[in-house]
Amino acid sequence: AQSVTQPDIHITVSEGASLELRCNYSYGATPYLFWYVQSPGQGLQLLLKYFSGDTLVQGIKGFEAEFKRSQSSFNLRKPSVHWSDAAEYFCALFTDKLIFGTGTRLQVFP
Amino acid sequence: EAGVTQFPSHSVIEKGQTVTLRCDPISGHDNLYWYRRVMGKEIKFLLHFVKESKQDESGMPNNRFLAERTGGTYSTLKVQPAELEDSGVYFCASSQGHSYEQYFGPGTRLTVT
Repeated sequence: AQSVTQPDIHITVSEGASLELRCNYSYGATPYLFWYVQSPGQGLQLLLKYFSGDTLVQGIKGFEAEFKRSQSSFNLRKPSVHWSDAAEYFCALFTDKLIFGTGTRLQVFP
Repeated sequence: EAGVTQFPSHSVIEKGQTVTLRCDPISGHDNLYWYRRVMGKEIKFLLHFVKESKQDESGMPNNRFLAERTGGTYSTLKVQPAELEDSGVYFCASSQGHSYEQYFGPGTRLTVT
């Protein structure tokens, strides 16, 4: 079955700390993977995407993600978190539609 | 270029009433998707239009939901009659041609009381 799992429902970090949000997927073919962010009162904004090629992809706002086929993972990372990064983050897999994980809510302390 | 827009941003209705949500995709995008997030759950696919045709409506919960896309432009999603479990945020997204990249609107928050 096709699915996306985000194991962490809620993460809290201090401003300036590094961040890693986990995402695992289940899919029998080459995955097309996305990370979206939803800030309070806003829609879903695409952070980055992986289709093929380099397994480390760069996105907007200083985010990057690494695709690891052997682990069926596509974890999102940022070296230094800013207070404005507080939001909800969604990992998604495209088949003929997007399949989303349950989301990870990020809280940033000053 | 305008993004995907949705109207209204928030709707509060009573159980048994009818509500119509509207989505205007990015101009020129043939693909239009509806998704829904019920509180505490993941965002789930409802249906997919290619131009004015329904390509996939496998995610529609039941026959109280009716989606249309007039002339392949904007789309409406009608819920009639609304039930409490229909509460959630309804997202619309659009994409161009065979692109996998979908652009999302801000969502409509539906509250059924």
